[in-house]
Amino acid sequence: DQQVKQNSPSLSVQEGRISILNCDYTNSMFDYFLWYKKYPAEGPTFLISISSIKDKNEDGRFTVFLNKSAKHLSLHIVPSQPGDSAVYFCAGTSGSRLTFGEGTQLTVNP
Amino acid sequence: EAGVTQFPSHSVIEKGQTVTLRCDPISGHDNLYWYRRVMGKEIKFLLHFVKESKQDESGMPNNRFLAERTGGTYSTLKVQPAELEDSGVYFCASSPILVLTRNEQFFGPGTRLTVL
Repeated sequence: DQQVKQNSPSLSVQEGRISILNCDYTNSMFDYFLWYKKYPAEGPTFLISISSIKDKNEDGRFTVFLNKSAKHLSLHIVPSQPGDSAVYFCAGTSGSRLTFGEGTQLTVNP
Repeated sequence: EAGVTQFPSHSVIEKGQTVTLRCDPISGHDNLYWYRRVMGKEIKFLLHFVKESKQDESGMPNNRFLAERTGGTYSTLKVQPAELEDSGVYFCASSPILVLTRNEQFFGPGTRLTVL
């Protein structure tokens, strides 16, 4: 039973354009959602989070939107840069453990 | 400040052998987690220590896996005997005890385990 799903294994965008990464979840008990970024041969690094009582959180070029009724969240990156090319993981948490999706490989082309 | 470190970075063993992975969390972090990513799938939770105590080990696949955290500092994860399906990348993460509710965890670079 996969509680967090990222249905797009890959996404390719042009530099300067918007990247939109999507995530769906089934567990209504999650009280926080986090996005992590992962480069090859490195561990995931925290990017941005959102509380389940919010619908939007913004940090520089990164914005996360949460639609609780649809159990859906998305990460927007504007403008996208080549250095943003990485695997992005969505995760939910209701306590200590993080429950991750399978990740989306983002490629930003110069 | 040093980040989470893991050793070795890569281990190749034969089925039936024993392997021990080590994790050194960020100094002062009481929470320590083990996760595993198999074959490009999702990163799955294995267990959680608070200091030296196992808080949650519900993600451990079976009794071939043994995790310890002596003295509440570094942790080891032993697989004995290793099976082919144990291959994957094992990540360790840590966080301070007074963690923000968003539960941000700091990850190490992982140990890639290959069982032949």
